[in-house]
Parts: sequence; structure tokens; C-alpha cells
Amino acid sequence: DAKTTQPTSMDCAEGRAANLPCNHSTISGNEYVYWYRQIHSQGPQYIIHGLKNNETNEMASLIITEDRKSSTLILPHATLRDTAVYYCIVRVWSNDMRFGAGTRLTVKP
Amino acid sequence: DTAVSQTPKYLVTQMGNDKSIKCEQNLGHDTMYWYKQDSKKFLKIMFSYNNKELIINETVPNRFSPKSPDKAHLNLHINSLELGDSAVYFCASSQDWRSGGQETQYFGPGTRLLVL
Repeated sequence: DAKTTQPTSMDCAEGRAANLPCNHSTISGNEYVYWYRQIHSQGPQYIIHGLKNNETNEMASLIITEDRKSSTLILPHATLRDTAVYYCIVRVWSNDMRFGAGTRLTVKP
Repeated sequence: DTAVSQTPKYLVTQMGNDKSIKCEQNLGHDTMYWYKQDSKKFLKIMFSYNNKELIINETVPNRFSPKSPDKAHLNLHINSLELGDSAVYFCASSQDWRSGGQETQYFGPGTRLLVL
């Protein structure tokens, strides 16, 4: 599995967009980019995933660069409840989920 | 209706004891997992089962023995508990790990184990 690099922590003002970057420069062609988050030591929660194209769902948008070496998770209007650790994971098979340290996002009023 | 449930939520026990954690999923998934999250918050996969068969055993001490009575349940039994076993244990499930990159895992709420 490709390694991912994420900033250790980020702050975001409530109501503003939160943009969380992830570098995965050694990603291979069949590896998907997944984002999960973990709130208050609850179980990790799936957010979004993509292969090449940008993706959007009710929670977030995922922007993947054309060379696929990096991606950005966008929470369009962050709320206090979005405060969590966000994990960027690249993998092929679901039993290859390797969580790194993630980015601790703090949404401030 | 909880998709992936675990019991107990908290478990405090003495060193040397044997304990079990139960996991159930009502999603109709074929694959289930156990993860361990230590005090440094790193989340690591321990085991993966597909339709009651072991797929992954990530160099976990043999004091840890998963048991899958049916594909909706994956229990974790731990013998001779040690201080270092203190952690949060998460169960997860997915449709079928062989489905490739589109697979999504759904996690349970976790079991907080403290060994004294």
C-alpha cells in the first residue's frame, strides 16, 4: 500500500470550508483514495472515496490531482461536530486498510 | 438500528484473566475485522474473516483468538491478559474484501479494555 502524508493538525472556523490535504506520491494505478474520520474515539466513519475523478457526496468533496499523487478532502461548511481526526488511506483491497496518524481537525466557533 | 455492535463497551480486568469481546453486524456483510487502537491512537488491523474463514492474522500474539460462529458474528477471545493489551478494540465489516477498491468498511463503537 502507498504511504500517505497528512498534516498533524488543522484549524477551521465554523461555517467555513475545511480543506484537508493528503499526499500519496507512490500511489499505484489500481489504488483507491479513501477518507475516514474518527470523532472522540468513536469508531472510524467512512466519508468518501475515489479513484481518479473528483467525487462529492452529502458529507464532503474529494479532489484528486490529475497525476493522483495528492488529494484534498473538502468539508464545505464545517460545523463544531466535524471536529475529529481525519484519515486518508490508499488501498486496493478492503482488508488492506492501513491507518496513519491522520489530521486532527479542530473547528472553532 | 445499530449496523455493527460490540459488547461490552467497557471492560476492566486483572492481568492474567481471560476475556471475550463480541461483535455482531446486521448489514449482511461477508467480511469482518478486528482492529486495535493503542494509547497513541494508531489503529491497526488484527484479523480479517470472510464468511467465517480467517483471511488475515497480522502477527498478533496467539493469546488472541478470533472466533466466527457465523458470518454475522466475529468474537475476540483474549487469554492471559497483559498490561499492554489495554487499548480500544474496534470491530468492522464490509461487503466482501475481494470486491476491490470500492469496498467500504463500517466500524463498531469500540470496546475499551483496561488491564490492571
